[in-house]
Amino acid sequence: AQSVAQPEDQVNVAEGNPLTVKCTYSVSGNPYLFWYVQYPNRGLQFLLKYITGDNLVKGSYGFEAEFNKSQTSFHLKKPSALVSDSALYFCAVRDTSNTGKLIFGQGTTLQVKP
Amino acid sequence: DTGVSQNPRHKITKRGQNVTFRCDPISEHNRLYWYRQTLGQGPEFLTYFQNEAQLEKSRLLSDRFSAERPKGSFSTLEIQRTEQGDSAMYLCASSPRTSGALSYEQYFGPGTRLTVT
Repeated sequence: AQSVAQPEDQVNVAEGNPLTVKCTYSVSGNPYLFWYVQYPNRGLQFLLKYITGDNLVKGSYGFEAEFNKSQTSFHLKKPSALVSDSALYFCAVRDTSNTGKLIFGQGTTLQVKP
Repeated sequence: DTGVSQNPRHKITKRGQNVTFRCDPISEHNRLYWYRQTLGQGPEFLTYFQNEAQLEKSRLLSDRFSAERPKGSFSTLEIQRTEQGDSAMYLCASSPRTSGALSYEQYFGPGTRLTVT
């Protein structure tokens, strides 16, 4: 069965420093991976995806993610964090069935301090 | 089109009452998903529609839950005889019919937060 793990409940970084939010996955076949962000009392906003191609994927708001097949990881990164990046981040993998449903990790709260 | 919309945004109900939520997907998106999110957890899949056909239901969807998408446009999710354990955020997402990588992306609505007292 497919699964996603986000090993950190919370990540704290200072504004201007680089940030990394970790994600590992388990899936049969080629993975289709996604990152979403959720602000309080809001739905999920799409950040970026990996389907195929370059292992470094660039997305919205300056975020990028690195796909590592050997480590089954898809870590989210940003070179310079902003206070406004503080939110809840979810990693997800597309189910291999025909429905295309997403399987989410439990989420990581990113706190960026000024 | 401004995205996926959901109504109501908040619903407080007493245990045992029935509730119905509505989701309006992005126009011409033929795929529609319902997810449930409880506090501190990631969203969990509930059910999937392709056009008007409900093609998959999660084990999470007990007999008290029913979902419809009558004309392949908006969808409703009804919970009968609500229980306190039903308290959660109910999220709707839609995905386009186009082939290729674009069809894998899901666009989420703001959610309906249900509180059962």
